[in-house]
Amino acid sequence: GQSLEQPSEVTAVEGAIVQINCTYQTSGFYGLSWYQQHDGGAPTFLSYNALDGLEETGRFSSFLSRSDSYGYLLLQELQMKDSASYFCAVRDRGGSARQLTFGSGTQLTVLP
Amino acid sequence: DTAVSQTPKYLVTQMGNDKSIKCEQNLGHDTMYWYKQDSKKFLKIMFSYNNKELIINETVPNRFSPKSPDKAHLNLHINSLELGDSAVYFCASSQFDQSSYEQYFGPGTRLTVT
Repeated sequence: GQSLEQPSEVTAVEGAIVQINCTYQTSGFYGLSWYQQHDGGAPTFLSYNALDGLEETGRFSSFLSRSDSYGYLLLQELQMKDSASYFCAVRDRGGSARQLTFGSGTQLTVLP
Repeated sequence: DTAVSQTPKYLVTQMGNDKSIKCEQNLGHDTMYWYKQDSKKFLKIMFSYNNKELIINETVPNRFSPKSPDKAHLNLHINSLELGDSAVYFCASSQFDQSSYEQYFGPGTRLTVT
């Protein structure tokens, strides 16, 4: 089976940088995704890493190390609107490689 | 021009009733999903259909039955509703691609069973 671990809560101030870590155990790993979900909203896609290294998209970056079964989401220049839950999710062989297994989510609170 | 839509947004019903949730996507994707998100925000896949064919069927009570009339629609019917079915149900869609993997989620249906 699959398992993912991420911190349940992270708090930071506006303008700061925060890193949300994710470790995973899965068979037949294809890639690691990150999703953002505001309270009452739907999960929205942030990034996907299939290969080792850093992917940057504006203020958000995502990193993957396949050998360490580890990834992180880096949020820079934090804004109040970044307060949300962040989920890592692994794509693996289940369901013809279309299946995502989600972590339990990290609640990020950005303080003024 | 909504990408993934679900109806209804809210559903309040009594134990023992039967209810359906509808989902439609206009993105031309080949795969659709149903997820359940509980009160602790844990997001778990229930079903997935690829081109109207069931490809993922997680351990879900057989009171839950998905139906895909075409690849743009995936409905969820729930029989004999129980208190534990109260949750937010999300529909999602994606296009199978080796190099990327983005799922688009609908707005969710908040089901409350009393």
